[in-house]
Amino acid sequence: AQSVTQPDIHITVSEGASLELRCNYSYGATPYLFWYVQSPGQGLQLLLKYFSGDTLVQGIKGFEAEFKRSQSSFNLRKPSVHWSDAAEYFCAVGAPGTASKLTFGTGTRLQVTL
Amino acid sequence: DAGVTQSPTHLIKTRGQQVTLRCSPKSGHDTVSWYQQALGQGPQFIFQYYEEEERQRGNFPDRFSGHQFPNYSSELNVNALLLGDSALYLCASSLRSLAYNEQFFGPGTRLTVL
Repeated sequence: AQSVTQPDIHITVSEGASLELRCNYSYGATPYLFWYVQSPGQGLQLLLKYFSGDTLVQGIKGFEAEFKRSQSSFNLRKPSVHWSDAAEYFCAVGAPGTASKLTFGTGTRLQVTL
Repeated sequence: DAGVTQSPTHLIKTRGQQVTLRCSPKSGHDTVSWYQQALGQGPQFIFQYYEEEERQRGNFPDRFSGHQFPNYSSELNVNALLLGDSALYLCASSLRSLAYNEQFFGPGTRLTVL
């Protein structure tokens, strides 16, 4: 069974500082990997995705993530955080193929201090 | 181009009642998945519909049922509501024929069971 672990429940960073959110997955092969962001009371917005190829993927809002097969990780990074980045971030894994279900981690809440 | 829409936005029910939530997929999409997101948790997969049939199901009891209509819209029904059914219910749509399973999420329906 596939699973996702986000070890950090809550992270606080200062505006302008760099950010790294951790994500570890469990899956028998190379899965499809996603990062979503959720603002309070909102649905999920896709930040970036990895299916194959280059292990460093670029997303929206200046985010990037690196797939490391040896560590079963897919960490999200941003070089300089803005106050508007405060939100809940979810890592998700899906089986390769068409429209399979997503398994989400429990999320990391990001707080940005000014 | 409208994204995924869900109705109603909020709903309050009492234990034992039944509820129906509705979802219209993104234009051009043919597959609808439903997720339950309890407070402070990541979304959990309930089931997925394609060609008006349930194709995949998560670990949810039979009280949770669904339907997909010929226009690809979908309903989620929950019978005999329990307090624990209080959650944000998210609908996601995708196009089954694509080689990757990017899913687009709606804003959700907040269900409160009293």
